[in-house]
Amino acid sequence: GQQVMQIPQYQHVQEGEDFTTYCNSSTTLSNIQWYKQRPGGHPVFLIQLVKSGEVKKQKRLTFQFGEAKKNSSLHITATQTTDVGTYFCAGQWYGNKLVFGAGTILRVKS
Amino acid sequence: SAVISQKPSRDICQRGTSLTIQCQVDSQVTMMFWYRQQPGQSLTLIATANQGSEATYESGFVIDKFPISRPNLTFSTLTVSNMSPEDSSIYLCSVGGNPQYFGPGTRLTVT
Repeated sequence: GQQVMQIPQYQHVQEGEDFTTYCNSSTTLSNIQWYKQRPGGHPVFLIQLVKSGEVKKQKRLTFQFGEAKKNSSLHITATQTTDVGTYFCAGQWYGNKLVFGAGTILRVKS
Repeated sequence: SAVISQKPSRDICQRGTSLTIQCQVDSQVTMMFWYRQQPGQSLTLIATANQGSEATYESGFVIDKFPISRPNLTFSTLTVSNMSPEDSSIYLCSVGGNPQYFGPGTRLTVT
């Protein structure tokens, strides 16, 4: 079946350090979406990437979509304690179904 | 984005019983989805709730265990039937196709 692999499972960084999480699909995606879930909260949409090689920025967050539309990354520059949570990628093929990656738990030491 | 509410927000239930979870949206939407998030895990799609027709279930989920209703374009229910401790999870509804917006979730504990 359709799967999205996400690594790492967990990352613990010092405040001010950078953080990156990666997602990979074995088949070409229509688009990939990124969500953040704070502890005890629900997933909140961050961004959608549609075009091959697309790069989008939201303040300290940079999202990339690979040329083959099979992989994606989320990079956070200079992490802050407010960045704590689980970051999920979610792949979409042709249709409305989303398949979520396993998520990367980010902990930030201040 | 739509405003989504779910009831109950949490519940503790005995094994063998059933719980119905409600999802209400503040605007009419075509697509509604139900997800399960087991403790410390990712989100798994249970089914797509279609207005006016049967829900479409994902592999591993069956209607007898998770009956779904979708009486109109703003409301859906998910019932977790004949519960066991393995059903302890957060159940989330979401709307939209691209992107999806999630309700606050229902935290279910089965004892």
